Amino acid sequence: DTEVTQTPKHLVMGMTNKKSLKCEQHMGHRAMYWYKQKAKKPPELMFVYSYEKLSINESVPSRFSPECPNSSLLNLHLHALQPEDSALYLCASSQPGANYGYTFGSGTRLTVV
Amino acid sequence: GESVGLHLPTLSVQEGDNSIINCAYSNSASDYFIWYKQESGKGPQFIIDIRSNMDKRQGQRVTVLLNKTVKHLSLQIAATQPGDSAVYFCAEKLTGGSYIPTFGRGTSLIVHP
Repeated sequence: DTEVTQTPKHLVMGMTNKKSLKCEQHMGHRAMYWYKQKAKKPPELMFVYSYEKLSINESVPSRFSPECPNSSLLNLHLHALQPEDSALYLCASSQPGANYGYTFGSGTRLTVV
Repeated sequence: GESVGLHLPTLSVQEGDNSIINCAYSNSASDYFIWYKQESGKGPQFIIDIRSNMDKRQGQRVTVLLNKTVKHLSLQIAATQPGDSAVYFCAEKLTGGSYIPTFGRGTSLIVHP
């Protein structure tokens, strides 16, 4: 299995809702990442987990809460989002410190209404 | 045709032509560069990479050229096909720095049949 799987593919949520994005990989990668991508822009790094521990938080607002329950799973919990948080949320994985094998999922298209 | 990358975010070519996508990077301490292809509705996919101790690397129908003197990277696609239509991002990694790539501004490649 050489894929990163993200669910759901599409999500519409209200500003008072709580929802979660999920990411799964079975490549044995021990680093997992969340990115946010706005239309026609490059992906922007949000969080990095290395060996299931949060190693980088790129000053992301607390309404985004990441969780790494085990080495194969990465979640992003969403609460009280704003319409400007609407974007494509991408998950990626790799081996920590490796230049190669950086694999992205297809993303979750999030719309906040 | 050529794209100046940062100054011309869209490149239109005819099927069968060769495409050249350019990328200027700013950090002379970058030692590893990657090109990603992102099709509509998908996450970025690795195309080809190059280390700073090389100036050219070839893959299947793609060639990456690196000019460290002017901090310029290009992606050449031979015999461009409609399936090559996508947004292409260059990314760089800093020497001794984080192993996480920093994405540059993308270029949209449109291939006309």
